[in-house]
Amino acid sequence: DAGVIQSPRHEVTEMGQEVTLRCKPISGHDYLFWYRQTMMRGLELLIYFNNNVPIDDSGMPEDRFSAKMPNASFSTLKIQPSEPRDSAVYFCASSLTPGGYTGELFFGEGSRLTVL
Amino acid sequence: AQRVTQPEKLLSVFKGAPVELKCNYSYSGSPELFWYVQYSRQRLQLLLRHISRESIKGFTADLNKGETSFHLKKPFAQEEDSAMYYCALGRGSTLGRLYFGRGTQLTVWP
Repeated sequence: DAGVIQSPRHEVTEMGQEVTLRCKPISGHDYLFWYRQTMMRGLELLIYFNNNVPIDDSGMPEDRFSAKMPNASFSTLKIQPSEPRDSAVYFCASSLTPGGYTGELFFGEGSRLTVL
Repeated sequence: AQRVTQPEKLLSVFKGAPVELKCNYSYSGSPELFWYVQYSRQRLQLLLRHISRESIKGFTADLNKGETSFHLKKPFAQEEDSAMYYCALGRGSTLGRLYFGRGTQLTVWP
């Protein structure tokens, strides 16, 4: 298995544009997580899904952010409109469990977003 | 509420020196604690879990419930240990998610 696959790896866009980040989890994993990493705030959980259903989206910053998981092998994180403060590395992770007991989440390589 | 605190954003040591990355947590229940590591240009990955009581790459971490700490230690740091380290808390339930600290960037100088 190639692991969790994210695209694009790098995205540079202008303020106000729509950004879509994509994730393919490891086959068979029931949980999918979207995290945002910044120097100031570290690693923040934005949202996570179980069997394609959003379980906790309390970390989504505001209405400009939305996430979907139309099937077990694909998820998107969309920012519309994007703002410079959204610049960060966005990670997708998947797991067999939510991670609270085993601790093992499998992370993708991340999507580095720069909003000018 | 559960919280993980890593008081140092940056930590620098020289090769061969001992290193300790601090992690404190707040949680009233029975916690599960973990350390994740992100080497340059690599994926974030699980380093060790307290329940395993294991030593990985020379690192150990002991859960101290009295002090609510889970500090990561290595007696002799190596240059290849330079990385970002995240402490994470689980609530000991198969249904519970992980809570991450803000991370500590460790630099080991030659």
